[in-house]
Amino acid sequence: ELKVEQNPLFLSMQEGKNYTIYCNYSTTSDRLYWYRQDPGKSLESLFVLLSNGAVKQEGRLMASLDTKARLSTLHITAAVHDLSATYFCAIRNAGGTSYGKLTFGQGTILTVHP
Amino acid sequence: GAGVSQSPSNKVTEKGKDVELRCDPISGHTALYWYRQSLGQGLEFLIYFQGNSAPDKSGLPSDRFSAERTGGSVSTLTIQRTQQEDSAVYLCASSLVAGRQGGVSYEQYFGPGTRLTVT
Repeated sequence: ELKVEQNPLFLSMQEGKNYTIYCNYSTTSDRLYWYRQDPGKSLESLFVLLSNGAVKQEGRLMASLDTKARLSTLHITAAVHDLSATYFCAIRNAGGTSYGKLTFGQGTILTVHP
Repeated sequence: GAGVSQSPSNKVTEKGKDVELRCDPISGHTALYWYRQSLGQGLEFLIYFQGNSAPDKSGLPSDRFSAERTGGSVSTLTIQRTQQEDSAVYLCASSLVAGRQGGVSYEQYFGPGTRLTVT
């Protein structure tokens, strides 16, 4: 069974601090996604990572992918309150009858406080 | 252009009633996915359509759940005899094609969701 596990599930950070969210997955996939979700809102795509060693950065967020370890990280640099949200990683089914189906991690609820 | 739309945005229903949730994908998108987000189960896949066919219904939690897609466009998710555990946000996503075709990969675009509350 395909599994995607994130940790931590809850993260309370002080503004200005750095932290990393981890995403482990159980089987190969052709791409990994990071999404942000604000309360009561839908999913906002942050990053799509395609290949081993891929690194993408947008503002204070940087995502990386290690396909050999089946691990992706989302690193937060100098956190600000606006980053408070729930972050999901997901992998895409690369074949079979459910081509394109996404399997999500549990989500990490990030709260940034002064 | 227009994104994925879902209706209603919120639905409150009594236990035992039937509900229908609607998804309008982006025009021309052949693949359509339904996901459910609930407190206990997180974000989980329900069903996938390619055109009007559903090659994978494995995520539907019980036979009270069904979905159809007509004209390769609008999809309706129907929940019969709703139970309190059906309370969740139901998300729909569409993509031009499912996954990859001709070496080009296609991404899913999510709708705003329908929040279902069963009382």
